[in-house]
Amino acid sequence: NAGVTQTPKFQVLKTGQSMTLQCAQDMNHEYMSWYRQDPGMGLRLIHYSVGAGITDQGEVPNGYNVSRSTTEDFPLRLLSAAPSQTSVYFCASSPAQVDSYEQYFGPGTRLTVT
Amino acid sequence: LAKTTQPISMDSYEGQEVNITCSHNNIATNDYITWYQQFPSQGPRFIIQGYKTKVTNEVASLFIPADRKSSTLSLPRVSLSDTAVYYCLVGDSGTDKLIFGTGTRLQVFP
Repeated sequence: NAGVTQTPKFQVLKTGQSMTLQCAQDMNHEYMSWYRQDPGMGLRLIHYSVGAGITDQGEVPNGYNVSRSTTEDFPLRLLSAAPSQTSVYFCASSPAQVDSYEQYFGPGTRLTVT
Repeated sequence: LAKTTQPISMDSYEGQEVNITCSHNNIATNDYITWYQQFPSQGPRFIIQGYKTKVTNEVASLFIPADRKSSTLSLPRVSLSDTAVYYCLVGDSGTDKLIFGTGTRLQVFP
């Protein structure tokens, strides 16, 4: 059981470039989410999904797209990177919310945009 | 969206009990209130969750008053390894969004 995996662990982008952060879980969890954490700050919800084919916006969705074609995968796409998107990105998954809010977090992706 | 407030930081000494309170409004009526611990360069780790009154597990207790406008995480007899940032997590009223609190940085001294 690998839990929640994220790739890459580190990434440097130039302004205007696009890329996809990968997230996968092998626990058959319905709920998945993406958070960003700026240095010394808390976690802010970017996008989330309550099941395959269903996604919705969080607190700070601008500049990001998501899709959920399978239960296991929830990639986050940066459309046109900006320095303000320099952050650590965490993916998380949890069972259906009616059961628990216990979220399992991946190790994070540290992104720098120059 | 749901709003949360936590103290920015707290200091304690080994062996003491620490209570961290999160104030929250506009949270979902029937959802859990959850607390997480985060060490530097790691993702948050689940500590405890509850719906109302008091919940206790092997590492912490959680107190939630009847109005559910706040919750208090209680860590008994803290040790140096409890130095971390602690977050509450609540469900937003009317949506499926899970919103983290602002976080409390706990420093435990010998």
